[in-house]
Amino acid sequence: GNSVTQMEGPVTLSEEAFLTINCTYTATGYPSLFWYVQYPGEGLQLLLKATKADDKGSNKGFEATYRKETTSFHLEKGSVQVSDSAVYFCALSDRGLTGGGNKLTFGTGTQLKVEL
Amino acid sequence: DAGVTQSPTHLIKTRGQQVTLRCSPKSGHDTVSWYQQALGQGPQFIFQYYEEEERQRGNFPDRFSGHQFPNYSSELNVNALLLGDSALYLCASSLAKGYTFGSGTRLTVV
Repeated sequence: GNSVTQMEGPVTLSEEAFLTINCTYTATGYPSLFWYVQYPGEGLQLLLKATKADDKGSNKGFEATYRKETTSFHLEKGSVQVSDSAVYFCALSDRGLTGGGNKLTFGTGTQLKVEL
Repeated sequence: DAGVTQSPTHLIKTRGQQVTLRCSPKSGHDTVSWYQQALGQGPQFIFQYYEEEERQRGNFPDRFSGHQFPNYSSELNVNALLLGDSALYLCASSLAKGYTFGSGTRLTVV
């Protein structure tokens, strides 16, 4: 079955440092890949996505590239801010059913703490 | 434009009891999915409802059941609660592709 593996946290960085959170996946076929962010006490917010190999998703300074050859979707940001402190989840969705979207398979999450 | 609304926000139940959680999808969305997020873990897919029927189901026992109403809102029911059912229950709605998540219901079983 499908699975997602993320680097364990917490990751603690100083403001303006470079961020990488590793994510690898196992899936049949060609899944869509996502990064979600969860702030304390809130639900999940979609950060970025990529739907096919070599696609780059980007949003709010965050980027991730769909690498089929390495089955990876690492999250990067050039300069983190204190406001980026949150838990980040890598997820995949396989194709198949039309309408309504397919189920998401999540990693265990990586907590990011950014300090001044 | 209201997003996904879940109620209640917090709930405490005793082992063996039954619980019902509610979800109102984002306006225009016709599909509702439910996820269980244990503390420190990623969300796990419970099931998805579309056109008032369960369309997909994850690896959860029959104690977990659901319903979707004609207005697309949904309920998650859990019978015979166990301590291990304590978690954040997330509802996500969608139309075609792209999910919107609610803030969740925090269920504590004592």
